[in-house]
Amino acid sequence: AQSVTQLGSHVSVSEGALVLLRCNYSSSVPPYLFWYVQYPNQGLQLLLKYTSAATLVKGINGFEAEFKKSETSFHLTKPSAHMSDAAEYFCAVSEAAGANSKLTFGKGITLSVRP
Amino acid sequence: GAGVSQSPRYKVAKRGQDVALRCDPISGHVSLFWYQQALGQGPEFLTYFQNEAQLDKSGLPSDRFFAERPEGSVSTLKIQRTQQEDSAVYLCASSLSGQGLNTIYFGEGSWLTVV
Repeated sequence: AQSVTQLGSHVSVSEGALVLLRCNYSSSVPPYLFWYVQYPNQGLQLLLKYTSAATLVKGINGFEAEFKKSETSFHLTKPSAHMSDAAEYFCAVSEAAGANSKLTFGKGITLSVRP
Repeated sequence: GAGVSQSPRYKVAKRGQDVALRCDPISGHVSLFWYQQALGQGPEFLTYFQNEAQLDKSGLPSDRFFAERPEGSVSTLKIQRTQQEDSAVYLCASSLSGQGLNTIYFGEGSWLTVV
């Protein structure tokens, strides 16, 4: 069975500061990993995904994540936070690349950005 | 349409009432997913369709939940005899095909409150 752990429920950073959102996964097979962002009253939007190619994945809006198998981690980072980054962020894992690519999500982390 | 469309966006149901939630996936998308997102939690998988075939319904929490996609496009999630614990956001998602790791696009969700 697959699972995702996102420690903590809320992260607050100053505008311009580094953003680091942690994600650890458990999977019985090589995983596919995702980060999604959810703005208030909007659907989930894909930020980036790891599909066993490069371990450092670049996504939209300046975000990137690094797959570390030894640490079973897929932390999300952004060098400089912007006010518009305030949202809820979900890490997700999938064990299948084929027809049934159902996702298992973590509980999510709310990112606040202080001016 | 341009994105995954869900209706109604907001629904208040009295306990014991039946509800139906509609999903219009992106035109031409073969795969369709339903997820349930309780307050403060990440989305949880309910069921998956490939065209009109329901290939996985392992996440449906009880036999009060039923989903269909009779013509392989629009899908309806029906909840019979609603209970308070059914209060959640119901997310629909679609992807282009059942092969490969296509991006999954989420709708804005249907917010169900059972009173």
